[in-house]
Amino acid sequence: EAEVAQSPRYKITEKSQAVAFWCDPISGHATLYWYRQILGQGPELLVQFQDESVVDDSQLPKDRFSAERLKGVDSTLKIQPAELGDSAMYLCASSPLGQGARETQYFGPGTRLLVL
Amino acid sequence: GDSVTQMEGPVTLSEEAFLTINCTYTATGYPSLFWYVQYPGEGLQLLLKATKADDKGSNKGFEATYRKETTSFHLEKGSVQVSDSAVYFCALAPSAGGYNKLIFGAGTRLAVHP
Repeated sequence: EAEVAQSPRYKITEKSQAVAFWCDPISGHATLYWYRQILGQGPELLVQFQDESVVDDSQLPKDRFSAERLKGVDSTLKIQPAELGDSAMYLCASSPLGQGARETQYFGPGTRLLVL
Repeated sequence: GDSVTQMEGPVTLSEEAFLTINCTYTATGYPSLFWYVQYPGEGLQLLLKATKADDKGSNKGFEATYRKETTSFHLEKGSVQVSDSAVYFCALAPSAGGYNKLIFGAGTRLAVHP
């Protein structure tokens, strides 16, 4: 069964450093999502791509976070500089079509970030 | 704005007990509703979903019915197992807007003891 891949699984960094997370969605899925899950809370959408275009980044802290999906396949989420409050699980998800479909989203295992 | 409220955990049960996890939502129109499960150290897995009022989603012995009149989507299972221990998230996908955004509740931790 196809799965969403994420790396690394765990990342420890010091504040003010740069970190990057990678996601490879299920093959053929047009829509890719990045969520942040703070311990004890539900995931919150950071950014959503439809193919290579950003369609929702309203909750992305754009002064320090950036995301790209250059060829409409895999994606990278970057934080620069990292802050203590960025410690969380970063989840990537994908779905086949996205627009107007309200489809099931398939989640990867996540990257757990700890900022010291 | 749209939101999801779940009962606070942890919920602690003995094996074979009956499970209910309450979920209510606030949304305009007719959202789709989901239950996701997260096992320790893993990502989220879809457990079940319902896309319109009075639909019942079911999977692995779990059930939830989309109740428009009470804006609820409570999760139930007749007989829980130790392997059901996990965090359960209720979520909605708004009907308004063109894209497939999910809004999650805070999650409810379930611990099942032998």
